[in-house]
Amino acid sequence: TQLLEQSPQFLSIQEGENLTVYCNSSSVFSSLQWYRQEPGEGPVLLVTVVTGGEVKKLKRLTFQFGDARKDSSLHITAAQPGDTGLYLCVGGGSQGNLIFGKGTKLSVKP
Amino acid sequence: GAGVSQTPSNKVTEKGKYVELRCDPISGHTALYWYRQSLGQGPEFLIYFQGTGAADDSGLPNDRFFAVRPEGSVSTLKIQRTERGDSAVYLCASSSSGTDSYEQYFGPGTRLTVT
Repeated sequence: TQLLEQSPQFLSIQEGENLTVYCNSSSVFSSLQWYRQEPGEGPVLLVTVVTGGEVKKLKRLTFQFGDARKDSSLHITAAQPGDTGLYLCVGGGSQGNLIFGKGTKLSVKP
Repeated sequence: GAGVSQTPSNKVTEKGKYVELRCDPISGHTALYWYRQSLGQGPEFLIYFQGTGAADDSGLPNDRFFAVRPEGSVSTLKIQRTERGDSAVYLCASSSSGTDSYEQYFGPGTRLTVT
């Protein structure tokens, strides 16, 4: 069974701070995606990483895929209240489905 | 263009009743997915359609759950003899491809409450 472990589960920080969310698995994934979900809405894709060691930047967000394609991280610089939400690490399953981590609930206080 | 829509947005039903949840995917998307999300958890995969056929239904928890997509567009998730443990948000997603985890576009979900 392919599983994704995310840490931390909860994170509450002040505006302007930096943070990193981790996603780990014992399985190799062909790709990993990060989604962000706000209350009452479905998840929205932020980025897809497919190559081991790949780094992608999206404004203040930096995503990294581990060399062995078993782990990923999301780093947010100078967090803003608008970054508040549930961040989900998602791996491509062997059956073509998506395997979701449990998510990191981020709260950024002004 | 229109995104994925789901109806109803909220459904309250009594234990033992039958419910149907509907998903309208983005036009032209061949792949459609159903997920269930409990409070404080990430979405849990239920079933995936490629066209009209269920390519993978390994996530359906038991035989009370069934889903159809007869014309390869709209899908209905059906739950028989509902139980309180079925209470969750049911999310539908669609994508233009069903393999290699291409971007999935999610609907807002249907919040099911079984009393």
